[in-house]
Amino acid sequence: GENVEQHPSTLSVQEGDSAVIKCTYSDSASNYFPWYKQELGKGPQLIIDIRSNVGEKKDQRIAVTLNKTAKHFSLHITETQPEDSAVYFCAASRDNFGNEKLTFGTGTRLTIIP
Amino acid sequence: EAQVTQNPRYLITVTGKKLTVTCSQNMNHEYMSWYRQDPGLGLRQIYYSMNVEVTDKGDVPEGYKVSRKEKRNFPLILESPSPNQTSLYFCASSKTGTGRSYEQYFGPGTRLTVT
Repeated sequence: GENVEQHPSTLSVQEGDSAVIKCTYSDSASNYFPWYKQELGKGPQLIIDIRSNVGEKKDQRIAVTLNKTAKHFSLHITETQPEDSAVYFCAASRDNFGNEKLTFGTGTRLTIIP
Repeated sequence: EAQVTQNPRYLITVTGKKLTVTCSQNMNHEYMSWYRQDPGLGLRQIYYSMNVEVTDKGDVPEGYKVSRKEKRNFPLILESPSPNQTSLYFCASSKTGTGRSYEQYFGPGTRLTVT
C-alpha cells in the first residue's frame, strides 16, 4: 500500500518568513495530493491540493509543488502569520480507486514566532 | 451550515464496555470514513463507506464495527474497547465521482480514553 513520509515533524519560523514542508510517497499510481491544516481542537481542513498532471499550484500565500518522477511534493507558505501556526498533514490517494482513502503523512507542527 | 458532527466529543470509558460514536453529515455525501489519529502516526483509516449499506475495512479495522443504514449517518462501534483504542477519532465525508477525488470534510473529533 501507499506510504507517505513527511518532514520535518516540527518547524518554527519567524513571522514574515517562509515555511516549507516536504513529503514523499511510495505508490507511483497516486495522483491526488491534498494538504490539510489542523488547528487545536479541530478536525483537519483542506487548504490546497494538487493532481499529478500539474507541477505547481498557488493560492495566495500558499503553494504546492509536485515532482512525480521523484515522488515528492512540498507545501510552501510565504509571509507567514501567527494564524498559520497549526499542524499540517500531507496526504496521497488515487483518483477513483473505489475507496477515497487518504494516506496521511505524520504531520508537521508549524509554530510562527511573532 | 455544511458540516460533519460527531458525538460525544470526549469519552472516558472502561475496558470491555461497548460504546458508539456517532457521525452525521448534512452535505448529502456518498462517501464517509473513520480515521484515528495517534501521535507520530498521522491519521489512519479504520472503515469507510461508499454509500448506504456499503462498508469496507480500512488499514486498522480490528476492534471496530460500522454501519451505514442512512446516507447521513455513519456510527463507529467499539464492542469491547481496550486501552490500545485510546485515541482521537475523526469522521470524514466527501462526494464521489468518476475519475477524481474530492475534498474530504472532517468532523471536530472524538477523544476516547479507555482505562
